[in-house]
Amino acid sequence: QTVVTQEPSLTVSPGGTVTLTCASSTGAVTSGYYPNWFQQKPGQAPRALIYSITNKHSWTPARFSGSLLGGKAALTLSGVQPEDEAEYYCLLYYGGAWVFGGGTKLTVL
Amino acid sequence: QVQLQQSGPGLAKPSQTLSLTCAISGDSVSSNSVAWNWIRQSPSRGLEWLGRTYYRSKWYNDYAVSVKSRIIINSDTSKNQFSLQLNSVTPEDTAVYYCVREKAAAGKTWFDPWGQGTLVTVSS
Repeated sequence: QTVVTQEPSLTVSPGGTVTLTCASSTGAVTSGYYPNWFQQKPGQAPRALIYSITNKHSWTPARFSGSLLGGKAALTLSGVQPEDEAEYYCLLYYGGAWVFGGGTKLTVL
Repeated sequence: QVQLQQSGPGLAKPSQTLSLTCAISGDSVSSNSVAWNWIRQSPSRGLEWLGRTYYRSKWYNDYAVSVKSRIIINSDTSKNQFSLQLNSVTPEDTAVYYCVREKAAAGKTWFDPWGQGTLVTVSS
């Protein structure tokens, strides 16, 4: 059973920088996993942020960026805003199936 | 602008079938650069990809191992929609269900838009 692992929770100060990661139980995450990142706020559907490692949607704020870091997919928020407090999920592709990570609860404090 | 509108009952009885439909506007269910997915979310299981249907000269389906024996995702080209059928449901299938478009272009893949979500409760 494939498992995608994210930090359960992280805390960051307003204006700070934080990196969320997404690891695969099968080994290093590469471009072939087409990493996607989503933001979800309470009572809302997930919203797409980043796709295929680094690509942003037209609505994705510039302070969000995606990368591969140490064999994991990573989402970095630079200059964090209070409205960035949310749950963040990654999604990886396993050749015919997609698997979500368990999510990271980001607190801005 | 692509929009997805979900419909279907919010209650299903244990051992029976959960059925939801997702109507598509602004795109075609038989487009050869998209796949149409069902994803659910519950407090106990988080976000869970269930499966997808897509057309590449013929129809294909992929399903999550966890539900593979119980799930059917179909498309209806005449109504430009796709549907989810989950059989033999239990209370563990209680979740918010989303339909989502998966778009591929230039070697990249993204998931947008999402349907509004349907809370389905499995209870007698």
